[in-house]
Amino acid sequence: DAGVIQSPRHEVTEMGQEVTLRCKPISGHNSLFWYRQTMMRGLELLIYFNNNVPIDDSGMPEDRFSAKMPNASFSTLKIQPSEPRDSAVYFCASSFRGQGSTEAFFGQGTRLTVV
Amino acid sequence: GNSVTQMEGPVTLSEEAFLTINCTYTATGYPSLFWYVQYPGEGLQLLLKATKADDKGSNKGFEATYRKETTSFHLEKGSVQVSDSAVYFCALHAGGTSYGKLTFGQGTILTVHP
Repeated sequence: DAGVIQSPRHEVTEMGQEVTLRCKPISGHNSLFWYRQTMMRGLELLIYFNNNVPIDDSGMPEDRFSAKMPNASFSTLKIQPSEPRDSAVYFCASSFRGQGSTEAFFGQGTRLTVV
Repeated sequence: GNSVTQMEGPVTLSEEAFLTINCTYTATGYPSLFWYVQYPGEGLQLLLKATKADDKGSNKGFEATYRKETTSFHLEKGSVQVSDSAVYFCALHAGGTSYGKLTFGQGTILTVHP
């Protein structure tokens, strides 16, 4: 398996523009997580899904952020409109919820810069 | 709620020095515990894990023992290398209906000099 695939790897956009980050989880995994990482706040969980259903979005910072998972192999995180303080590395992770421990597998991240 | 506390960083060591990064946790029930490593420019990778009390996880010379009595999962390595320079995250999975959600510590930056 190729692992969790995120695109794009880097995104530079102007303030006010819409940004869409994409994630393809590992095949067979049933949980998907979106994280944001900054120097100031560390690693923050934004939202997670189980079997394509959002379970907890309490980490989403504002209504400007939204996430969808239309099927088991694809998820998006959208920021509209983007602001400079959204600049961060965004990680997607997936795991299989089953017997035993459930370690998460991370993608390589999308580095977002809003200017 | 669940939480993970790691020792303050950054940690700077010379090559072949002994490494300890402290991690303590608060959780209900019987969590599984993990150490993840993040190399520059990359995502987090699982380094080792332990699923029950007194289990020892090990990988690449790193070890950590699940101590329920002290609610700790300290990471150790006997002789670090320059290539171990990275950010290390301690994490727990609470089990039950947490759907695989991990609770992470704040991360500890490790720099190893030749």
